Amino acid sequence: GAGVSQSPRYKVAKRGQDVALRCDPISGHVSLFWYQQALGQGPEFLTYFQNEAQLDKSGLPSDRFFAERPEGSVSTLKIQRTQQEDSAVYLCASSLAAPTEAFFGQGTRLTVV
Amino acid sequence: AQTVTQSQPEMSVQEAETVTLSCTYDTSESDYYLFWYKQPPSRQMILVIRQEAYKQQNATENRFSVNFQKAAKSFSLKISDSQLGDAAMYFCAYRSPSTGANSKLTFGKGITLSVRP
Repeated sequence: GAGVSQSPRYKVAKRGQDVALRCDPISGHVSLFWYQQALGQGPEFLTYFQNEAQLDKSGLPSDRFFAERPEGSVSTLKIQRTQQEDSAVYLCASSLAAPTEAFFGQGTRLTVV
Repeated sequence: AQTVTQSQPEMSVQEAETVTLSCTYDTSESDYYLFWYKQPPSRQMILVIRQEAYKQQNATENRFSVNFQKAAKSFSLKISDSQLGDAAMYFCAYRSPSTGANSKLTFGKGITLSVRP
């Protein structure tokens, strides 16, 4: 595709509900990052994939957060039993290889009510 | 661990004037990359300019330039001839030169820039 695509753009979830956020990286991009951006803050690293391998998940805030990229392209970030503190924008970024420029999607704004 | 600090939460500039956004960082690495990203209301992060720490020359991209002071660990962004479309949040970010997961970006808290017509 022309750019990184994320869906949905907006998601409202009731507390305790499970959600799944999708990221379609640029075709051929090996590296994929997820970031969490709280309101009025800078993005914070969640997890990193190189192809289908999840090489770093040190930023995931709890075991309710789970990410996968089974075929090395599309990635899904899943949040189980959502809490109010999970409300944030979730950004996905991809790059050809890790040190090169990362291209960001428009993010998914998650609101937990 | 690396940290990035943007101490100014908001700034305002008159259209056509020049504005400087400040950023400081802390790292024990000698080689690294620094970036300024723009985030408009659409939320998409757009790369404005990048600087490699091993390069002494300050990076320039059209109306955007940086003042990189390695010893002081300072990395400010200067926007010349400000335009209404420059209004957005601006984030300073750091990246290690390492490959793989260590190439993740560390962002500051951002600064909201408004442009007065």
